[in-house]
Amino acid sequence: AQKVTQAQTEISVVEKEDVTLDCVYETRDTTYYLFWYKQPPSGELVFLIRRNSFDEQNEISGRYSWNFQKSTSSFNFTITASQVVDSAVYFCALSGPREANSKLTFGKGITLSVRP
Amino acid sequence: GAVVSQHPSRVICKSGTSVKIECRSLDFQATTMFWYRQFPKQSLMLMATSNEGSKATYEQGVEKDKFLINHASLTLSTLTVTSAHPEDSSFYICSAQDYYEQYFGPGTRLTVT
Repeated sequence: AQKVTQAQTEISVVEKEDVTLDCVYETRDTTYYLFWYKQPPSGELVFLIRRNSFDEQNEISGRYSWNFQKSTSSFNFTITASQVVDSAVYFCALSGPREANSKLTFGKGITLSVRP
Repeated sequence: GAVVSQHPSRVICKSGTSVKIECRSLDFQATTMFWYRQFPKQSLMLMATSNEGSKATYEQGVEKDKFLINHASLTLSTLTVTSAHPEDSSFYICSAQDYYEQYFGPGTRLTVT
């Protein structure tokens, strides 16, 4: 069975601070995919990143960066110089091999509040 | 990127009535669509997986007779909540799969009074 754990439930930071959102996963698949989504108050999920299990390279996209470590089954997300617009709920998710039923298993989400 | 729409975006219905939610892939054909439910301040929980032309596969604990899913074409899946009750009030989100990518709709907020 697949499982995603986001141990942090709520994080509050002041604007311009860096913040890291943790994600730990469990799966028996050798091929799998990890995702991060942002859900602003409007409710619509915003796709941030997809990473497959064979690609452990860290990724940076503007103020966002992701650290994938298979050894610790973690896929952490860092926002550098946070802004008020980053306030949202962030979900980490896991899916199995794309050839199979690629349903997503979501973590419980982390509510990030960025104060001015 | 690919676009998935949901209609309606918000619906209020009376207890005991049925409500239908549509999920459409606007610019691609989706062989598989997924339906998720999200209660306030909670995560998304998969309800069912639907493949075009076949019966939906429901997750454990989801009543298939209450949540009817029809995937009649490669661009449309519908979720009908039958005999809705206040506890069915939730945010329903669909997603459509295009080959290996999954695209989410904007969600439908259902309130049952």
